[in-house]
Amino acid sequence: DAKTTQPPSMDCAEGRAANLPCNHSTISGNEYVYWYRQIHSQGPQYIIHGLKNNETNEMASLIITEDRKSSTLILPHATLRDTAVYYCIVRLNYGGSQGNLIFGKGTKLSVKP
Amino acid sequence: DAGVIQSPRHEVTEMGQEVTLRCKPISGHDYLFWYRQTMMRGLELLIYFNNNVPIDDSGMPEDRFSAKMPNASFSTLKIQPSEPRDSAVYFCASIGQGRPEAFFGQGTRLTVV
Repeated sequence: DAKTTQPPSMDCAEGRAANLPCNHSTISGNEYVYWYRQIHSQGPQYIIHGLKNNETNEMASLIITEDRKSSTLILPHATLRDTAVYYCIVRLNYGGSQGNLIFGKGTKLSVKP
Repeated sequence: DAGVIQSPRHEVTEMGQEVTLRCKPISGHDYLFWYRQTMMRGLELLIYFNNNVPIDDSGMPEDRFSAKMPNASFSTLKIQPSEPRDSAVYFCASIGQGRPEAFFGQGTRLTVV
């Protein structure tokens, strides 16, 4: 079973920041937080991941709380093409061993003009 | 690299027939995952392999489903006999050694009539 809780849907105005929350209160010390998105029945696409520090790449920023029980994915300037289902996943990645990759229900983000 | 390649893209078959779905992971990747996606159940992990060895097949719904990975560049998911409730989009994904991101194929849309 997925170890995360996300709101089922969110709206965002085009050009504004989209902030997608995720709760993972049972995360263990060697589990990372991953974010993927799925655009209209395509295969999911990796966005970003992190352990405890905030992370940023060309797609998004990931803010993880100090207690690691929740995180927020930030799309700084959402476009219509960012409309998708966003999945927050916690996953083992320790010492070269990787665990399974289990998707929950995700958040359907609708970016509106 | 062409990415993860799945075939066929679409399959329509009659109930009771055997169906074989194929996946070619990205060269050099050592993890391979099979998923099934439906509107009702979302994206379900069926099985995953590490270095061609099945690690967790607890998501395989029943004995009618089987998966193999005879070598690092090829995997199959077989359903025998197929049933209408097996209709879904089946995704394959691969991950490289020590890398965080999974790359997904375009999926196979299976319809069992």
